Amino acid sequence: QSALTQPASVSGSPGQSITISCTGTNSDVGSYNLVSWYQQHPGKAPKVMIYEGRKRPSGVSNRFSGSKSGNTASLTISGLQAEDEADYYCCSYAGNNTWVFGGGTKLTVL
Amino acid sequence: QLQLQESGPGLVKSSETLSLTCTVSGGSISSTNYYWAWIRQPPGMGLEYVGSMYYSGSTYCSPSLQSRVTMSVDTSKNQFSLKLTSVTAADTAVYYCARLQGSSYFFDHWGQGALVTVSS
Repeated sequence: QSALTQPASVSGSPGQSITISCTGTNSDVGSYNLVSWYQQHPGKAPKVMIYEGRKRPSGVSNRFSGSKSGNTASLTISGLQAEDEADYYCCSYAGNNTWVFGGGTKLTVL
Repeated sequence: QLQLQESGPGLVKSSETLSLTCTVSGGSISSTNYYWAWIRQPPGMGLEYVGSMYYSGSTYCSPSLQSRVTMSVDTSKNQFSLKLTSVTAADTAVYYCARLQGSSYFFDHWGQGALVTVSS
């Protein structure tokens, strides 16, 4: 199992939109609609922002949205705010009760 | 409000066994449709799935760690535990316990994390 591939960093100005990609394989992202996205602020535990590829848990802003095409999942954040600055991780079910995470993307709000 | 709290030694000697316990409060570890998981994060690096278990005792581990991992659950104490044998410096990480949604397969509640350092 190899980690899912994410860009190391992305940046955007307040109010803009950014998209973070997450590329896996036919064994994980491509086989299941079970991608989740986590936001992690420094020194804090991760927080789920998207599950099942595009669903938002209660309390998560609708500025966060998810999608998938083939072996690549994406997280889009619209109307960027300073508080969105954090690390973001994708995660996919990989079969046989195992999960694989992406390497993480550092989002900088300029 | 569901809460998870990791506990255990913060320093383990190389080649010895890392032991951590996660105490669940505000909910029952015996709830159906939930699994209980361990995820770790080496300093400055990304997240890694370690393993997960059901309250009945069924356990599932990352293939890369399964030869060294033992997990167990104590429903009477609402706790679940992780043991990782023959540790090396590469096992130094913040270890998180988390609840795994059994139908949607995502980690919806996390503990605050426990840093475990492996020393030589």
